[in-house]
Amino acid sequence: EDQVTQSPEALRLQEGESSSLNCSYTVSGLRGLFWYRQDPGKGPEFLFTLYSAGEEKEKERLKATLTKKESFLHITAPKPEDSATYLCAVQATLTQGGSEKLVFGKGTKLTVNP
Amino acid sequence: DTGVSQDPRHKITKRGQNVTFRCDPISEHNRLYWYRQTLGQGPEFLTYFQNEAQLEKSRLLSDRFSAERPKGSFSTLEIQRTEQGDSAMYLCASSLFVRKNTEAFFGQGTRLTVV
Repeated sequence: EDQVTQSPEALRLQEGESSSLNCSYTVSGLRGLFWYRQDPGKGPEFLFTLYSAGEEKEKERLKATLTKKESFLHITAPKPEDSATYLCAVQATLTQGGSEKLVFGKGTKLTVNP
Repeated sequence: DTGVSQDPRHKITKRGQNVTFRCDPISEHNRLYWYRQTLGQGPEFLTYFQNEAQLEKSRLLSDRFSAERPKGSFSTLEIQRTEQGDSAMYLCASSLFVRKNTEAFFGQGTRLTVV
């Protein structure tokens, strides 16, 4: 069964203190790995899709990377407005018994203090 | 606003009552998904449609749950005889599939509280 484990569960940073969030996954065949940001009481907001090991994508202070077993979301010089829960999800290949569903981890709650 | 729209945003209902939620996807998107999220957990897949056809349902979707997408536009999710365990955030997402699927974009969700 496809599984996603995110660590740490919660992370508290000072403004400007860079760090990384981890997403470890087990999937029969990876079609895509997705990062979303979720603010309290709101729906997830799409950030990145990664398709193959070695791929990297950047958006402002965020950079996502992918290996065959895990993905990292690097946050450089974070600001208080980056505080949110960051969710990782995988989608398995259809030829390996996958489906169209996204399998999510529990998320990492990031708090950035001014 | 051209994003995914869900209505209502909040619903409080008594145990045993039926509730219905509505989702309006991004207009050009042909795929529509329903997920459920409880506190401290990531979203869990319930079902998805391509146009008006319901193509996949999760084992989580008991026979008290039914979803429709008439005419391939908006969708409704109905829960019959609600139970306290149904309390959750119900999320709708949409994507465009043409030979390849694009990313799914989520709505703001409907928060259901069963008392």
